[in-house]
Amino acid sequence: AQKITQTQPGMFVQEKEAVTLDCTYDTSDPSYGLFWYKQPSSGEMIFLIYQGSYDQQNATEGRYSLNFQKARKSANLVISASQLGDSAMYFCAMTSSGSARQLTFGSGTQLTVLP
Amino acid sequence: GAVVSQHPSWVICKSGTSVKIECRSLDFQATTMFWYRQFPKQSLMLMATSNEGSKATYEQGVEKDKFLINHASLTLSTLTVTSAHPEDSSFYICSARVPQPSGRRYGYTFGSGTRLTVV
Repeated sequence: AQKITQTQPGMFVQEKEAVTLDCTYDTSDPSYGLFWYKQPSSGEMIFLIYQGSYDQQNATEGRYSLNFQKARKSANLVISASQLGDSAMYFCAMTSSGSARQLTFGSGTQLTVLP
Repeated sequence: GAVVSQHPSWVICKSGTSVKIECRSLDFQATTMFWYRQFPKQSLMLMATSNEGSKATYEQGVEKDKFLINHASLTLSTLTVTSAHPEDSSFYICSARVPQPSGRRYGYTFGSGTRLTVV
């Protein structure tokens, strides 16, 4: 069974500062994928970044980067130069080892960017 | 590309009635669709996985007879909440698995969600 843990229910960051959202995972599958999604109050799920278990380098997408530490089973999201529009719920997710490859989500972190 | 259109965005229904939620893949063929349920300020909980042309696979604790899922074509999956009750009020969101150009992995695209309120 897979498990995703996000230990920060809420985070605050000052505008233009960087923030790290924590995510740890547990799986016995040697091949897996890790995702981060942003969910604003409207409810839509916005894909941010992906890291494959065999990827040698940490993923980056614009202001988003993923600090992937495989031995520690952590996949923290780093948002640089926070903007007011970054205020939202953030979910870490992992693909399953089953044939359907469904996503398993963490409990989420509510990020608030302060002006 | 890879857009999933979900309707309705919100619905209010009376207790005891049924509500159908549709998810259509607009520019790709969705062989697999996932249905999630989300309570306020909580995570997405997988309800069921549907594959085109076959019966859906439900997660433990999800009532099959209450949450009917149909995936009759490669572009349409529906979730029907039968005999809805106030405790069924929630945010329902669908997601389709999408092959990525690299071929190494799948991406996931989500519908915009349906906010169901049962009164």
